[in-house]
Amino acid sequence: GAGVSQSPSNKVTEKGKDVELRCDPISGHTALYWYRQSLGQGLEFLIYFQGNSAPDKSGLPSDRFSAERTGGSVSTLTIQRTQQEDSAVYLCASSASNYNEQFFGPGTRLTVL
Amino acid sequence: QQQVKQSPQSLIVQKGGISIINCAYENTAFDYFPWYQQFPGKGPALLIAIRPDVSEKKEGRFTISFNKSAKQFSLHIMDSQPGDSATYFCAAHGSGNTPLVFGKGTRLSVIA
Repeated sequence: GAGVSQSPSNKVTEKGKDVELRCDPISGHTALYWYRQSLGQGLEFLIYFQGNSAPDKSGLPSDRFSAERTGGSVSTLTIQRTQQEDSAVYLCASSASNYNEQFFGPGTRLTVL
Repeated sequence: QQQVKQSPQSLIVQKGGISIINCAYENTAFDYFPWYQQFPGKGPALLIAIRPDVSEKKEGRFTISFNKSAKQFSLHIMDSQPGDSATYFCAAHGSGNTPLVFGKGTRLSVIA
């Protein structure tokens, strides 16, 4: 079956603009995660969803970042008033439950000019 | 606070050699320890995982060694191949609604 998909694959935006990043998890996966990976760096946890609720938002770096998940499926990560330091690859992962293997999407590369 | 410390940051190994990557954790509530492999331009993919009731798990050329008392675990890649060149992340997970905690990654280069 299809894996985790993310769109767009690349996004170039100007400083100050808002961006929306989309994640389509594997069908039936209840847990969904967003991570940020800066060039050559590790995986920075942003937020985790179980169903449509977010038990852990501790990783969101500022109030410019928000995420939602609807219908227990698609999730959108929104970054308002983007800054250059927001440039990174944003990865989404899903799993059958929080205790299972996480399957990652290919990521969205965000470049803020 | 980094809960999983991974070393080395980068590693160069000759083809056919053994690659060893080490991780240490702090939280004794962790009970699931996966390793992820990431190729450039791709998302990480699960390689192998272990739970603390065993001290070693082997899958093909990949082995996890786990030392619960020392709170350390390591990945061994036997007969390393150029195709193994990638970034490897260790991770740890506790019970309940907590996400995986990842190490900072090791960039492995296997040279012929």
